[in-house]
Amino acid sequence: DTGVSQDPRHKITKRGQNVTFRCDPISEHNRLYWYRQTLGQGPEFLTYFQNEAQLEKSRLLSDRFSAERPKGSFSTLEIQRTEQGDSAMYLCASSPRPTSGPYNEQFFGPGTRLTVL
Amino acid sequence: QKEVEQNSGPLSVPEGAIASLNCTYSDRGSQSFFWYRQYSGKSPELIMFIYSNGDKEDGRFTAQLNKASQYVSLLIRDSQPSDSATYLCAAGLRGFQKLVFGTGTRLLVSP
Repeated sequence: DTGVSQDPRHKITKRGQNVTFRCDPISEHNRLYWYRQTLGQGPEFLTYFQNEAQLEKSRLLSDRFSAERPKGSFSTLEIQRTEQGDSAMYLCASSPRPTSGPYNEQFFGPGTRLTVL
Repeated sequence: QKEVEQNSGPLSVPEGAIASLNCTYSDRGSQSFFWYRQYSGKSPELIMFIYSNGDKEDGRFTAQLNKASQYVSLLIRDSQPSDSATYLCAAGLRGFQKLVFGTGTRLLVSP
């Protein structure tokens, strides 16, 4: 499978616990994104990496959230002291380096569904 | 006003008909537009993207962009029951990498 992969696919945790999600982008893609999606809503942007550099962060990304992409390959998203409002699908996407034009086609992984009890 | 707006639907069409899905955006800095299909419980799947005014066709799908009216649409010809899903419209802003999504339109294609 050469698509974006995410692990775990499901996570159930208790309020106050920390959780970490992993994303492996498509191998030749240097751009990686994290989004969050709740029921009935479209994905909401959280953060963007170009190679290992985190270049964009949403105001949604509170100080409890941190994302890394240490070697420009896989990325992790950590949520500390989880709250019930963090329950959502966390989606990772990747896109290739654009060769020309405003190309930014993003390909999503299967997502990690987080449930905070 | 949301940056990207879509009618939540559901839009119901019979099998074989043309489904027309619409999207408006508020930021004139938007320069790229994407349509994603999302089945229940699954992640979004990219169907088409469009950057220039006019039509872009790919198989049964046609994307239309009118920057003056800030309007994007997706036409699905010969709709099939397997096309039943939520269709998400997304816009990319000049100078940013993030995509801004609408809430999606649910399409139901009846046999």
